[in-house]
Formats: sequence, structure tokens, C-alpha cells
Amino acid sequence: DQQVKQNSPSLSVQEGRISILNCDYTNSMFDYFLWYKKYPAEGPTFLISISSIKDKNEDGRFTVFLNKSAKHLSLHIVPSQPGDSAVYFCAASGGGSNYKLTFGKGTLLTVNP
Amino acid sequence: DTGVSQDPRHKITKRGQNVTFRCDPISEHNRLYWYRQTLGQGPEFLTYFQNEAQLEKSRLLSDRFSAERPKGSFSTLEIQRTEQGDSAMYLCASSLGGNSKGGYTFGSGTRLTVV
Repeated sequence: DQQVKQNSPSLSVQEGRISILNCDYTNSMFDYFLWYKKYPAEGPTFLISISSIKDKNEDGRFTVFLNKSAKHLSLHIVPSQPGDSAVYFCAASGGGSNYKLTFGKGTLLTVNP
Repeated sequence: DTGVSQDPRHKITKRGQNVTFRCDPISEHNRLYWYRQTLGQGPEFLTYFQNEAQLEKSRLLSDRFSAERPKGSFSTLEIQRTEQGDSAMYLCASSLGGNSKGGYTFGSGTRLTVV
């Protein structure tokens, strides 16, 4: 069963606009959430994370929002740039940031110039 | 520091053969993880080490799979009697222990094709 779900396989946005990537989870024991970006032929690269005790974390153009009651998190990228085009994975852990992660299937983001 | 290094990058093998992959983590990282990614899926956890101790194994890691991390440095993942279903990208990652804010550092992976 998919404990971490990314229901949108792909998303296309215009350069300069906002990209919103969504993720839902089912396991209430998850206490840490991360977003990874992946380019073809490379391993995933850590982007941003959030602990379950927070509802927002911001790092430059990237902001992650966590809604624990809805078991939902989202990644906002503002403004979107063509170099942001990649597959984005949502991941969750039940033991902090340095424990095994459960990943979603990913969302392919395409930012058009 | 050159990041997490995996070797080989690609491996094609015949069904039934044994294969071994190597991972060299970031030198100061004491945790090392193996994940497997198939087409259209996210990475799936296989196993992880703290120093040389293998602390957890996924049920995905059948008896044909074995991982080691002698001396707490590099790690190897061996698959015996490969099957076509083993075809996947095998990803290694490392991290410092404790509850740091950052996630793992992944390597570029070893793509295995079983023919």
C-alpha cells in the first residue's frame, strides 16, 4: 500500500509563475517530511524538509507547507525557473531525518520558458 | 569530498548470474542506506547501516540479496541468481547520524539490467 502518494504524475508551469506540488500520506507515525529533486541519470538531491512540529519551512524560492490534520504537504516554488524542471519526490520518515524514508512516485515538473 | 560514489554505473547481466555493487559514502557519514528504484516508482528502502552494523532490512531484501559494510566505510550489495525482476536502479545514500535538518546524500546509482 502506498503510504506516501503524489497523485499528479506531471505538472507544467510557465517560467516566473508558482509551481505547487502536492503530497498526501496515510501513516500518522511519520514525523519528518522531505522533498527531493531528481534529474535524469542522477541520484535524488535533497531540497527541503519539515518536521511534524512545524507547519511551514522556507528556503529561498522553496517553501514546504504541512497540514497534519489533513495528512497533506505541498511544495511551492516561486518563481519557477526552467532549471527547476525535474522529477520531485516527496518522502516521509517515522524516525527523524536520518532513518529510512518512504517515497512517493514522484511528479515531473516542466517549467516552460 | 566527492559525494557518494557508486560503481559500476551500469551493469547488464544474464539471468542467474551473481552481481555485486559498491558504494563509497561521504567519509564522515556514519549511516549508509541502499534503495531500489524501478520505472515510474519512487525509491524503495532496502537496508541501512550505522557504521558496520546492519540495523534494518526491508522485506524486499530477499535471501538472494546481501549487503555488507566492513569496517564501517564502503558497502557492497550482492544479488545472487539474478532474475529479470531485479532490473532496477540501485541507489546508495549516506548521512550523519542524529536528527539533522538535511536529508541523505544520494549517489548517482547503479542501473542493473537482467537479460
